[in-house]
Amino acid sequence: GQNIDQPTEMTATEGAIVQINCTYQTSGFNGLFWYQQHAGEAPTFLSYNVLDGLEEKGRFSSFLSRSKGYSYLLLKELQMKDSASYLCAVMDSNYQLIWGAGTKLIIKP
Amino acid sequence: NAGVTQTPKFRILKIGQSMTLQCTQDMNHNYMYWYRQDPGMGLKLIYYSVGAGITDKGEVPNGYNVSRSTTEDFPLRLELAAPSQTSVYFCASSQGADSGANVLTFGAGSRLTVL
Repeated sequence: GQNIDQPTEMTATEGAIVQINCTYQTSGFNGLFWYQQHAGEAPTFLSYNVLDGLEEKGRFSSFLSRSKGYSYLLLKELQMKDSASYLCAVMDSNYQLIWGAGTKLIIKP
Repeated sequence: NAGVTQTPKFRILKIGQSMTLQCTQDMNHNYMYWYRQDPGMGLKLIYYSVGAGITDKGEVPNGYNVSRSTTEDFPLRLELAAPSQTSVYFCASSQGADSGANVLTFGAGSRLTVL
């Protein structure tokens, strides 16, 4: 079966750095996406990785290792507004998105 | 540019009732999707469409129907509502299915409760 694993919840301090991991087992691979979802709102796109390595976008970076079935989202200089759930999704060989359950990130002052 | 608009935002249904969740997008996207999101679970695909007149089942289609008569609109019909359909529903659209073109734009969500 196809599976995406990410931690259920993480806590971090304002101004710090946090890394949210995502491991996957899917039928094929055509890219990995990270979305941010604030409570009661819709998911919004953060990043996309299809090749191994690090993609940096401001305070957010996303890393992919296809051989290990592993990705992480790195958030730097955490702000209170970063409190949200972070969803990892993998596109399989049929170009279908498989979603993880999301990681709820709590930022403390 | 409104993006993806879905209505209603909230609805309470009685068991056995029917209703339609409306979804419209103004980005001229060919691909549209309906997902449901339950606590502690990943988004589950109900139905999707690759263009006007074409629809296909996703992972959890039972109890739902869709139509796609225009590029803009993709309504989701719930027939004979059941408590198991209590969920938050998201409509989404994208330019295409191929990898990087598949960045989804989501509507604000519809919270449905079946009692």
